[in-house]
Amino acid sequence: AQSVTQLDSQVPVFEEAPVELRCNYSSSVSVYLFWYVQYPNQGLQLLLKYLSGSTLVKGINGFEAEFNKSQTSFHLRKPSVHISDTAEYFCAVSSVSGNTGKLIFGQGTTLQVKP
Amino acid sequence: KAGVTQTPRYLIKTRGQQVTLSCSPISGHRSVSWYQQTPGQGLQFLFEYFSETQRNKGNFPGRFSGRQFSNSRSEMNVSTLELGDSALYLCASSLAPPGTGTYEQYFGPGTRLTVT
Repeated sequence: AQSVTQLDSQVPVFEEAPVELRCNYSSSVSVYLFWYVQYPNQGLQLLLKYLSGSTLVKGINGFEAEFNKSQTSFHLRKPSVHISDTAEYFCAVSSVSGNTGKLIFGQGTTLQVKP
Repeated sequence: KAGVTQTPRYLIKTRGQQVTLSCSPISGHRSVSWYQQTPGQGLQFLFEYFSETQRNKGNFPGRFSGRQFSNSRSEMNVSTLELGDSALYLCASSLAPPGTGTYEQYFGPGTRLTVT
């Protein structure tokens, strides 16, 4: 079984400041890792994903994440945030094996960017 | 290319009724998954379909069912609605078969179901 823990439910930050959203996971099997963003009244949009290879993954809108296998973490970072980054962010995992794309999500982190 | 479309976008039903939600995947996509999003439970997996076959099912009661048609469109049905079924129901589609490394899911805007 897999589980995902997002360590902060809310992260307030000022515009142009850096931000890190933390995600830890637990799994007995190898997993793919994802970060999704959800804007109000919209579905989820994929920011980035880790499948294999380089542990530093770059995504859209200037976001990046680093996979740390020993820490079982996949933290999301952005060096300078904008007001438009205000949204809910979800970390998710899916099993590498088992012929399923089922995503297990964390509880989400609300990023509030203040002017 | 059009994205994932879900109809209706909003729905109000009464306890005990049944409801059918529809999802049209991105053209060419053959995998469709459904998720329920609530403030208390977060995002939870409901079902996953590929080529009209249910590949995986989440931990939901039998009142929740789904199907996929030959054109990859999918529907989910909830019978005997309960207040706790009020949620945003999200559909996602993917080009690749489930579980492959290129399996990237594209989500629709969701159907917000309110049960009164």
